[in-house]
Amino acid sequence: GENVEQHPSTLSVQEGDSAVIKCTYSDSASNYFPWYKQELGKRPQLIIDIRSNVGEKKDQRIAVTLNKTAKHFSLHITETQPEDSAVYFCAASKWTGYSTLTFGKGTMLLVSP
Amino acid sequence: DADVTQTPRNRITKTGKRIMLECSQTKGHDRMYWYRQDPGLGLRLIYYSFDVKDINKGEISDGYSVSRQAQAKFSLSLESAIPNQTALYFCATSDGLAGGSEQFFGPGTRLTVL
Repeated sequence: GENVEQHPSTLSVQEGDSAVIKCTYSDSASNYFPWYKQELGKRPQLIIDIRSNVGEKKDQRIAVTLNKTAKHFSLHITETQPEDSAVYFCAASKWTGYSTLTFGKGTMLLVSP
Repeated sequence: DADVTQTPRNRITKTGKRIMLECSQTKGHDRMYWYRQDPGLGLRLIYYSFDVKDINKGEISDGYSVSRQAQAKFSLSLESAIPNQTALYFCATSDGLAGGSEQFFGPGTRLTVL
């Protein structure tokens, strides 16, 4: 089955800095890669996703890049703010209509004022 | 607003007890999932259901069972709870659109097995 590795497990940055979280996946047939944000005591929520026919996607201060050859995708957050502090999960699935998401183990991002 | 709800939100029980966690959704989604979250281990899939008559085991189904009572309801049971089932449990739903679709999570149930 699919295996998703996520690094780093924790990341501390100063407010205004950029943050990058990286994930690798094992199944070359995977073609859907979402990122979820989980604030302390809250439920995970989708913040951005990318499909394999796209190399990069941006939404304001967040962006995701995908390298299908290397089986690698990354989340980039620019101009970080304290409210970006949360656990971020990457995930992958091969969309056959009957597949499920495999999540990475998460990255705890701490943004210090 | 359409939502995913879970009951109970917190539960403390003893080893050997039978426990049921319930999930309801008003999103009209066909697909429902149960995940377990442990610190440092991410979200692991326990069971999933793509429609009312469909039940599938996930990555860590041993010690768990599920029931899909209706499109809107999906219950998770621990037949004989053990301490290493202490965790945060999430229910999630999604539609079945091809190409990948967002999963919507419930608020979670924190289960402690003593």
